[in-house]
Amino acid sequence: EPEVTQTPSHQVTQMGQEVILRCVPISNHLYFYWYRQILGQKVEFLVSFYNNEISEKSEIFDDQFSVERPDGSNFTLKIRSTKLEDSAMYFCASSEVTSGSPVEQFFGPGTRLTVL
Amino acid sequence: QKEVEQNSGPLSVPEGAIASLNCTYSDRVSQSFFWYRQYSGKSPELIMSIYSNGDKEDGRFTAQLNKASQYVSLLIRDSQPSDSATYLCAVTLYSSASKIIFGSGTRLSIRP
Repeated sequence: EPEVTQTPSHQVTQMGQEVILRCVPISNHLYFYWYRQILGQKVEFLVSFYNNEISEKSEIFDDQFSVERPDGSNFTLKIRSTKLEDSAMYFCASSEVTSGSPVEQFFGPGTRLTVL
Repeated sequence: QKEVEQNSGPLSVPEGAIASLNCTYSDRVSQSFFWYRQYSGKSPELIMSIYSNGDKEDGRFTAQLNKASQYVSLLIRDSQPSDSATYLCAVTLYSSASKIIFGSGTRLSIRP
């Protein structure tokens, strides 16, 4: 069964450093997303991406964040200057483009980001 | 204002019984509704989706939606120890169909 994959599974970085989290969405999906979950808290939406541009972003997704689809398979989240409060699980998700029914999003296993 | 509310639990149910998980949402223009299962340290796994009033069944799982009451529930029949997890209720809005809004989740524990 096709699934979303993410690398690395765990990333440790120093405050102020840049990190890039990578995702390979399900191959026939065209909508891509990033969510994060701080330990013990809710899953929070960061950004959605379609047709090579951001379709929606949350208040969390400020100028330190960016997303890119550098090739036909990868989808990346870059955090330019990490802060301690960026420590969280980051989930990538993808969905088909559908209408008239729920747009089901399927999540990858996540990258645990630890900022020291 | 909380958009999706769930009882945090834990909800303890004996093996083989029916587990009933409930969720309310505040935005009347919510479009679609989802139940995800999340094991500790793992990612959310989609269990059910529903967008019309009524019941939707898939194996041991039944999702129930009542838009007038702004209420969605998940029933798990013949509960198994492997069903022990946190269940996340989630919604999307007509105004923002690509963004899933999650509740805090209900911890379910199935006791043998």
